[in-house]
Amino acid sequence: AQSVTQPDIHITVSEGASLELRCNYSYGATPYLFWYVQSPGQGLQLLLKYFSGDTLVQGIKGFEAEFKRSQSSFNLRKPSVHWSDAAEYFCAVRTSGTYKYIFGTGTRLKVLA
Amino acid sequence: KAGVTQTPRYLIKTRGQQVTLSCSPISGHRSVSWYQQTPGQGLQFLFEYFSETQRNKGNFPGRFSGRQFSNSRSEMNVSTLELGDSALYLCASSPGGQAGPNEKLFFGSGTQLSVL
Repeated sequence: AQSVTQPDIHITVSEGASLELRCNYSYGATPYLFWYVQSPGQGLQLLLKYFSGDTLVQGIKGFEAEFKRSQSSFNLRKPSVHWSDAAEYFCAVRTSGTYKYIFGTGTRLKVLA
Repeated sequence: KAGVTQTPRYLIKTRGQQVTLSCSPISGHRSVSWYQQTPGQGLQFLFEYFSETQRNKGNFPGRFSGRQFSNSRSEMNVSTLELGDSALYLCASSPGGQAGPNEKLFFGSGTQLSVL
């Protein structure tokens, strides 16, 4: 069965520090992978997505993610975190040919001034 | 273009009641999906509608149902509410058609349902 695991429920970093949020997936074929961000009281906004090609993808707000097939991972990174990045981050996989998304349980990011 | 609109923003119900949530997709979008979000569980897929037909369904009991109208607006209904149904219900729309690599979801802000 398809699944997405985000092992870190909470992460705290200092402003200006680098960030890496982990995501592991289970899917039989090449997955469509996504990272979404949810600010308090808001819906989800797409940060970036991977379908094929270059395994390092760039997204909005200075985020990037790297697809590693051998590790079934799609980790999100940012070189320097801003206070406005405090939010909840969700990794997701979409079943090929459908609109059904499977989301991880999310990682809540706290940024210290 | 207006975004995905969900109404109401907040709802309080008691056990055993039923509730209807509404979602208006982005103009021109024909696919509407519903997700249940609870702390610690992330987002759970409920169902997806396209051109008034349910195209995909998640693993929720029959108390959860939905429909889509000819203008692509969608409603979700939960009957015989239970305490565990308390959650943020998110609606998302997308252009629809074939789920190719450029498809993505646009989310509304959700309806926060509290069951007492």
